[in-house]
Amino acid sequence: NAGVTQTPKFQVLKTGQSMTLQCAQDMNHNSMYWYRQDPGMGLRLIYYSASEGTTDKGEVPNGYNVSRLNKREFSLRLESAAPSQTSVYFCASLRPGSHYGYTFGSGTRLTVV
Amino acid sequence: AQSVTQLDSQVPVFEEAPVELRCNYSSSVSVYLFWYVQYPNQGLQLLLKYLSGSTLVESINGFEAEFNKSQTSFHLRKPSVHISDTAEYFCAVSGVGAGNMLTFGGGTRLMVKP
Repeated sequence: NAGVTQTPKFQVLKTGQSMTLQCAQDMNHNSMYWYRQDPGMGLRLIYYSASEGTTDKGEVPNGYNVSRLNKREFSLRLESAAPSQTSVYFCASLRPGSHYGYTFGSGTRLTVV
Repeated sequence: AQSVTQLDSQVPVFEEAPVELRCNYSSSVSVYLFWYVQYPNQGLQLLLKYLSGSTLVESINGFEAEFNKSQTSFHLRKPSVHISDTAEYFCAVSGVGAGNMLTFGGGTRLMVKP
């Protein structure tokens, strides 16, 4: 089915480990986003990519890096995981001219112990 | 910059009763306003949006929201809820001309009881 695919769905990391969250969309969207969701805080933007080859920081970028590998894929990397990064991570993409019609993936639940 | 406050973290309600989920925002510029819904273990889906024009906007499943500029509010209402409406609802705002950046509220968990 067309949409935004995130892998993995669940992950447990030890403090200091690194990992990459993968996101791919098959809708030919230009813009892609990474959010984290924490209880009572809604979704906060980590990084975004307005188009292939560009990335920009969002509200909470510290401790993360991103790569827009091509138009389809936008990955999020944690170089040295910390317990404060325990969260649910959502990737989203946006169709040009859709007036904020984001398509979200189903999320990655990350626990850092 | 914009901010969003959802006044209730949880709203329990019986099936077929009316419900209102409250959302207030602050912004120094004109805004676009949105409600997203998140069903268990899923991503967010756009429920409805206000961009311009009529201040009352409706969704296909019976929800409506009214943009009140003077009160800086965008409350979500439904006259009769169903069990299937159980979900978390997020209000979001974007400043006009701010690109496509959304600022989300903390969410309201709607719990519909039989």
